[in-house]
Amino acid sequence: GNSVTQMEGPVTLSEEAFLTINCTYTATGYPSLFWYVQYPGEGLQLLLKATKADDKGSNKGFEATYRKETTSFHLEKGSVQVSDSAVYFCALNNNNNDMRFGAGTRLTVKP
Amino acid sequence: GAVVSQHPSRVICKSGTSVKIECRSLDFQATTMFWYRQFPKQSLMLMATSNEGSKATYEQGVEKDKFLINHASLTLSTLTVTSAHPEDSSFYICSAMRLQETQYFGPGTRLLVL
Repeated sequence: GNSVTQMEGPVTLSEEAFLTINCTYTATGYPSLFWYVQYPGEGLQLLLKATKADDKGSNKGFEATYRKETTSFHLEKGSVQVSDSAVYFCALNNNNNDMRFGAGTRLTVKP
Repeated sequence: GAVVSQHPSRVICKSGTSVKIECRSLDFQATTMFWYRQFPKQSLMLMATSNEGSKATYEQGVEKDKFLINHASLTLSTLTVTSAHPEDSSFYICSAMRLQETQYFGPGTRLLVL
């Protein structure tokens, strides 16, 4: 079946540090891949997405590249800010009505 | 961008009562809406998928008589938690999808059953 595995948190970084949150997936066919961010007490916000192999999604300094050969969609940011502190969810959608989420990775950025 | 709202954002009720949560897509017509449940520090669990004008499709283990879903229009879906009990306390999140596009999530509703 379809599933997403992302690195366990929590992740604690200093401001301006480099961020990587690993995400790998298992799916048949060609899923679309997503990163969502959840700030405390709020719902999920779409951060970025990629719909086919080698696509790079980017937004607010975050990037992730759809790697079919390694079935990965790792999230990266070159310089994190305190305001990036949140929970990040990797997700895949294989037939539009079947969204699978990873367990979430909590990021805390300290000044 | 696509905006999805939920109401109420927070509700406290007594055990045995029913609670209705609304999910609205504000600036687009949603062909499909989804209801998720999130336990503290955990990921989202899909409860059901609803299409406008038809019955919702529930995930395995989700009681359809307990969690009533009505998708009356292309912009509104409601989740009613019937005869709520303390174990139903959770964070409920809806999402809406336009045609074959991305899911857009509401801000969530925190339910506390006393």
